[in-house]
Amino acid sequence: DAGVTQSPTHLIKTRGQHVTLRCSPISGHKSVSWYQQVLGQGPQFIFQYYEKEERGRGNFPDRFSARQFPNYSSELNVNALLLGDSALYLCASSLVEGRHAFFGQGTRLTVV
Amino acid sequence: QKEVEQDPGPLSVPEGAIVSLNCTYSNSAFQYFMWYRQYSRKGPELLMYTYSSGNKEDGRFTAQVDKSSKYISLFIRDSQPSDSATYLCAIDKAAGNKLTFGGGTRVLVKP
Repeated sequence: DAGVTQSPTHLIKTRGQHVTLRCSPISGHKSVSWYQQVLGQGPQFIFQYYEKEERGRGNFPDRFSARQFPNYSSELNVNALLLGDSALYLCASSLVEGRHAFFGQGTRLTVV
Repeated sequence: QKEVEQDPGPLSVPEGAIVSLNCTYSNSAFQYFMWYRQYSRKGPELLMYTYSSGNKEDGRFTAQVDKSSKYISLFIRDSQPSDSATYLCAIDKAAGNKLTFGGGTRVLVKP
């Protein structure tokens, strides 16, 4: 079975631009979470979605938004990119809420 | 003060030694405890998951949780060069997949 897949794997954007990152969870998994990992630090929670509803939001500005589709895939959108948004963006899925999460390989975003 | 503290290392050990890793946390509401391994430029890989105090063993890995001291540990026996990676502790309050991570400890196992 395929694991959590994220696209694209790498991305370079200019300050002020918008970016959309995509995540396909493991087949059958209904919960998707997004994390930001700055180089040298642990991942930080951004959003969690379960059954297409937002279940949690971390301490991130409104420039960050996400949604989950009927097939349980998810998008993370970031507007007005800043240099500080450069990071590895990780998607994690779990079968239901409360079960341990499996991570994808991440999307490395560089803002120049 | 960060909610989860983890020594960044690096921790260098010879092949075959026991690797000892730990995290402390500040909020007693945390009830679920995980250890992830992350290789360079890869996503975290779940190693251990527990929700109770005590020990849990899986092959060469043993996770310990002491809720009274707010202290969690991971031990790796018979370490191999392939264990060289960053190890992240992660905790959760309500098993809702809103994980709070430590900063990670970089481990280097030398042949």
